[in-house]
Amino acid sequence: GAVVSQHPSWVICKSGTSVKIECRSLDFQATTMFWYRQFPKQSLMLMATSNEGSKATYEQGVEKDKFLINHASLTLSTLTVTSAHPEDSSFYICSAPLAGGPDEQFFGPGTRLTVL
Amino acid sequence: RKEVEQDPGPFNVPEGATVAFNCTYSNSASQSFFWYRQDCRKEPKLLMSVYSSGNEDGRFTAQLNRASQYISLLIRDSKLSDSATYLCAVIFVASGGSYIPTFGRGTSLIVHP
Repeated sequence: GAVVSQHPSWVICKSGTSVKIECRSLDFQATTMFWYRQFPKQSLMLMATSNEGSKATYEQGVEKDKFLINHASLTLSTLTVTSAHPEDSSFYICSAPLAGGPDEQFFGPGTRLTVL
Repeated sequence: RKEVEQDPGPFNVPEGATVAFNCTYSNSASQSFFWYRQDCRKEPKLLMSVYSSGNEDGRFTAQLNRASQYISLLIRDSKLSDSATYLCAVIFVASGGSYIPTFGRGTSLIVHP
C-alpha cells in the first residue's frame, strides 16, 4: 500500500503559539489530501480538503484563518494551527487517496497536539 | 443528522464468537465504502473495501446494501487481537465534483478470553 508520513508525531506548545504539521505522501503523488481532527473516543472529523496548487476547501465550522493549509507540491501538505489554545488539543491526521477519486484513504500516523 | 452512523458499542465478546457491525449512511450519492480498523492512539488502517456483491477476507466479510443504505462487517471466530475500533467510511461526491470521505464514529470491539 501507499505510505503517508506526518511530522511531528506529537507536539506540546504554549497557548498562543502556532504549530505546523506536515503530511507527506512518500511513494505516490497526491493532488488531494484530507485533514481530520479526532478527540478522544470521538469520530474522525474532516476539517478540510487540501488541493495541490489551489486553496483548501474547509468544512462547515472550521475556521480557515485559524487552520491554515498549504499544499505546495504533489507530495506535501501542511496544516498550521495558529494561535493555538487548549481546546485545539487533539489528534490531527491526514490522509490521501492513492489515485484520486473515490478510493481508499491512506492515513498518516497522526500528530498529537497538546496546548498548555 | 450525521451522515454516517454506527453503534459505538462496546461489543464485548468471548474469543471464538461471531460479531456483526452495521453502519448506515444518509447520502445516496455515496460512491465507495470501506471498513477501517483503528487501534488506540493510532491512525486508521484499511480493513477491507465493501461491494454490493460482498467481500470476504478470511474471517471478515463485508456487505453493502445500497437500497437500504447500510454496510455491514461480520467477524467470525473472534481473536483477542481483533479488539479495536472499527470505522466505516463512505466517500461521496460533493456538489463541486470532489470526493469527500466521511467516517462513522466507530464501533468498539473487545474480545476477551
